[in-house]
Amino acid sequence: GQSLEQPSEVTAVEGAIVQINCTYQTSGFYGLSWYQQHDGGAPTFLSYNALDGLEETGRFSSFLSRSDSYGYLLLQELQMKDSASYFCAVSGGGFKTIFGAGTRLFVKA
Amino acid sequence: DSGVTQTPKHLITATGQRVTLRCSPRSGDLSVYWYQQSLDQGLQFLIQYYNGEERAKGNILERFSAQQFPDLHSELNLSSLELGDSALYFCASSVVEGATSEQYFGPGTRLTVT
Repeated sequence: GQSLEQPSEVTAVEGAIVQINCTYQTSGFYGLSWYQQHDGGAPTFLSYNALDGLEETGRFSSFLSRSDSYGYLLLQELQMKDSASYFCAVSGGGFKTIFGAGTRLFVKA
Repeated sequence: DSGVTQTPKHLITATGQRVTLRCSPRSGDLSVYWYQQSLDQGLQFLIQYYNGEERAKGNILERFSAQQFPDLHSELNLSSLELGDSALYFCASSVVEGATSEQYFGPGTRLTVT
């Protein structure tokens, strides 16, 4: 079967760095994506990794290790507005995109 | 604004009824995806269309059906509605056909079944 695991909640303070991990098990794999969703809003695309390594986009970075079926999203210089849910998603076999259950990030002042 | 539009924004209906949700993808995008998100849950992939053809199917109930029209807008039909169908329904679009790196989500339709 196909599954993704990520922590349900993470809490960090403003200005800190936080890492949200994601492990996956899929039949077929094209890449790992990350999305942010604020309460009541739509998911917005953050990053995508198809190859091993680190991708950096401003304060956000994403990492992938295909051999370990593992990735993470790194958020630096946390701001209050980063409080949201973060979903990892796998593009896998059968043209399906599977989303994890989401990690709720609480940023404290 | 992602460029993906969905109507209606809210829908309240009774059990046993049928509703149609509508989605217009971003200009130039050929793929449309439908997702269901129940309260405090993740996104459940329902179905994908590419240029009018069904491309992938997820955990979509037999009571649900979808189609993509020649102008690329898509409709999700939900019938014989049950209380458990109450959820946010998102449509997303992308330019590529297959497994995609980047999907753009519409604002969603909040369906309440009473």
